[in-house]
Amino acid sequence: QSALTQPRSVSGSPGQSVTISCTGTSSDVGGYNFVSWYQQHPDEAPKLIIYDVSKRPSGVPDRFSGSKSGNTASLTISGLQAGDEADYHCCSYAGSYTYVFGTGTEVTVL
Amino acid sequence: QVQLVESGGGVVQPGKSLRLSCAASGFTFNSFGMHWVRQAPGKGLEWVALISYDGSKKNYVDSVKGRFTISRDSSKNNLFLQMDSLRPEDTAVYYCAKERATELGDWGQGTLVIVSS
Repeated sequence: QSALTQPRSVSGSPGQSVTISCTGTSSDVGGYNFVSWYQQHPDEAPKLIIYDVSKRPSGVPDRFSGSKSGNTASLTISGLQAGDEADYHCCSYAGSYTYVFGTGTEVTVL
Repeated sequence: QVQLVESGGGVVQPGKSLRLSCAASGFTFNSFGMHWVRQAPGKGLEWVALISYDGSKKNYVDSVKGRFTISRDSSKNNLFLQMDSLRPEDTAVYYCAKERATELGDWGQGTLVIVSS
């Protein structure tokens, strides 16, 4: 049950794209297509933005996209906006009715 | 709309107990699994526990097994987390979250637990 590994921070200018990686093992990220991503603004609760690796809940802009290759999942934010500045957390199902989150990534819009 | 409201947090001494509650509304509570997730100050999210829609299945992160118990009262639409033998490293904001399918679709605003002497 080790946390998934994410970069501590990423940054980009408005309009650019940034990608956040989320590395686990074959027992979590690599073993299931149940990776989700959450956006968390300061002093707010997390909000689901991606589920099942690449699906978006209704209301989430298509600027947010997800993918997975092997034991690493990725979140890409295209057309970066000031409101995208937040912390982003990945999460994976890890079998036997357990879940594991990533270490979290701070996104800064320059 | 879905509403989840946590309560029961506070300051507690190491080794003591605390019971968190999560009042749910806006959905059919006994049709969805529920989670507890915590976030230590300045840290990332940590999944803590999950209970199935009917309460028949439960599981926990290793660091709380044997100390925390998740339960639900579907007659009152409440989720609980009984926390015993608390440690300083349990200090965190505790969120309850509603399961969508395999993801956490809705979250409460959290309740802060501080374990300190």
